[in-house]
Amino acid sequence: EPEVTQTPSHQVTQMGQEVILRCVPISNHLYFYWYRQILGQKVEFLVSFYNNEISEKSEIFDDQFSVERPDGSNFTLKIRSTKLEDSAMYFCASRWDRNTEAFFGQGTRLTVV
Amino acid sequence: DAKTTQPPSMDCAEGRAANLPCNHSTISGNEYVYWYRQIHSQGPQYIIHGLKNNETNEMASLIITEDRKSSTLILPHATLRDTAVYYCIVRVVGLGNQGGKLIFGQGTELSVKP
Repeated sequence: EPEVTQTPSHQVTQMGQEVILRCVPISNHLYFYWYRQILGQKVEFLVSFYNNEISEKSEIFDDQFSVERPDGSNFTLKIRSTKLEDSAMYFCASRWDRNTEAFFGQGTRLTVV
Repeated sequence: DAKTTQPPSMDCAEGRAANLPCNHSTISGNEYVYWYRQIHSQGPQYIIHGLKNNETNEMASLIITEDRKSSTLILPHATLRDTAVYYCIVRVVGLGNQGGKLIFGQGTELSVKP
């Protein structure tokens, strides 16, 4: 069964460093998303991406964040200068149409120290 | 997207049906009811969705009331592996939801006990 793949599974970084979280969505999907979940809290929407541009973003997704689909398979989330409060699980998701179900990856646990 | 209300937690005996309720009294005509679950901080997993008719798939059944103000997710024979947080999400389908985002609430923490 096709799945969304995220790497790495766990990333530890120093405060102020840049991190790139990587995702390989399901191959025929057209809509891509990033969500995050701070420990013990609910899953929060960050950004949606379609046709090589951001289609929607939340208030959390400020200038420190960016997304990119550098080739036909990868979808990345970059955090330019990490803060302690960026520590969370980051989930990538994809769907082939905006009205179909979304498939989520297993997440990257980001720890900022 | 319409707000949903779910009980924070529920218990269910293994092998019995688990019935998870969700209130969405402000749902509008073009909003679907989706159910996802999250097993111990893994990525959320799609279960089922519906508009107004009852739906069934290999995982669960979805019962939506006639006025669409509430719904129930039914896991017919719950197993220990069904222990998870279950999210009821109401979202617009179609042009009104440009990006297709999902707005998660706190969900219901279902514990299936032996």
